[in-house]
Amino acid sequence: AQKITQTQPGMFVQEKEAVTLDCTYDTSDPSYGLFWYKQPSSGEMIFLIYQGSYDQQNATEGRYSLNFQKARKSANLVISASQLGDSAMYFCAMRDLIQGAQKLVFGQGTRLTINP
Amino acid sequence: GAVVSQHPSRVICKSGTSVKIECRSLDFQATTMFWYRQFPKQSLMLMATSNEGSKATYEQGVEKDKFLINHASLTLSTLTVTSAHPEDSSFYICSADRDVDNEQFFGPGTRLTVL
Repeated sequence: AQKITQTQPGMFVQEKEAVTLDCTYDTSDPSYGLFWYKQPSSGEMIFLIYQGSYDQQNATEGRYSLNFQKARKSANLVISASQLGDSAMYFCAMRDLIQGAQKLVFGQGTRLTINP
Repeated sequence: GAVVSQHPSRVICKSGTSVKIECRSLDFQATTMFWYRQFPKQSLMLMATSNEGSKATYEQGVEKDKFLINHASLTLSTLTVTSAHPEDSSFYICSADRDVDNEQFFGPGTRLTVL
């Protein structure tokens, strides 16, 4: 069975600093995708970044990058130059990439607070 | 971009009533949709996988007679919370799996409060 672990319930960071949110995963499937979502207080799930298990390069999207270490089964999210608007819950998730629609499995989440 | 809507966004009802929540993919077809429940300060928990034209697949511990799912078309899935009780109060979120590439898109969520 797939499992996602986020060990940081809360993180407090000064504005403009970089922050790393940890995520480790466990799966026996050779082909899978890893996702990070941001959930502000409004509740909507905002997709941030995606990494496929066979991708050679770490994914980047603007200020977001994913530090993918396959052998260690970790997929940490790095946010550079944090902003006050980055304060939210962040969820790491994974899904199989075998044929067809596959459910997402979520980690427990990390609440990030950016201090001015 | 692909959009998924949910209706209503917020509902308050009395204990014992039934509540229907709609999840629509507005600009793409989705044979498969997913329903999640999220309690305060917790993660999203998958309740069921909704498949167009067939019965939903429920996760372990989720009462299928309590949470009725109907996926009547390629763009609409509904979740009905039957005989709702205060413990059913939660944030319900759907996601739709786009047929052409299996990319998933989330709805904005429905906040249910049962008095």
